[in-house]
Amino acid sequence: EAGVAQSPRYKIIEKRQSVAFWCNPISGHATLYWYQQILGQGPKLLIQFQNNGVVDDSQLPKDRFSAERLKGVDSTLKIQPAKLEDSAVYLCASSTVRDRAYEQYFGPGTRLTVT
Amino acid sequence: ELKVEQNPLFLSMQEGKNYTIYCNYSTTSDRLYWYRQDPGKSLESLFVLLSNGAVKQEGRLMASLDTKARLSTLHITAAVHDLSATYFCAVLIKAAGNKLTFGGGTRVLVKP
Repeated sequence: EAGVAQSPRYKIIEKRQSVAFWCNPISGHATLYWYQQILGQGPKLLIQFQNNGVVDDSQLPKDRFSAERLKGVDSTLKIQPAKLEDSAVYLCASSTVRDRAYEQYFGPGTRLTVT
Repeated sequence: ELKVEQNPLFLSMQEGKNYTIYCNYSTTSDRLYWYRQDPGKSLESLFVLLSNGAVKQEGRLMASLDTKARLSTLHITAAVHDLSATYFCAVLIKAAGNKLTFGGGTRVLVKP
């Protein structure tokens, strides 16, 4: 079974530029998550989708971050405009309600550097 | 708001010795997870603990859960260099839409 795919793996941009990340979850996983992991910290949930609906976006800085999952499969996370403090690894994860353990499976992440 | 605290933040280990990482959380949880993260890599699932008294072991790692004390421990037996990594615990609350809240991580360095 293929894991969670993310691209790009690395991105360097200047502040005030925009950037987009892409995530393809494990096939059949209805729930998709985007996390932000700042260096030296644990991941922090930005947004959670159930199919193509938003379940939780309470920690998403909505003035600059947006995310969508139009067909309930792939998802994109966008930052516009980027700030220096957005430098982090952005992790995508997916899970299925068929899993009693509710385990989330993480992709390799996108490392964003804002200069 | 759920808080998840790990300690210590950093653990310098000697090969062959035993150590414990602690994970405390502030509210009732439904699941507790332990992850390993190597530098520049993503999160690798180690254990899922489902209920009070749960104990799981894999190789030199053993995780346990005490839901009454809101405490999980990750015990490392006879540490080896390959165990050098950052270890995270995470707590899931079903009533919050299966939201996962992570601790700050414990960076482990095993020295010869």
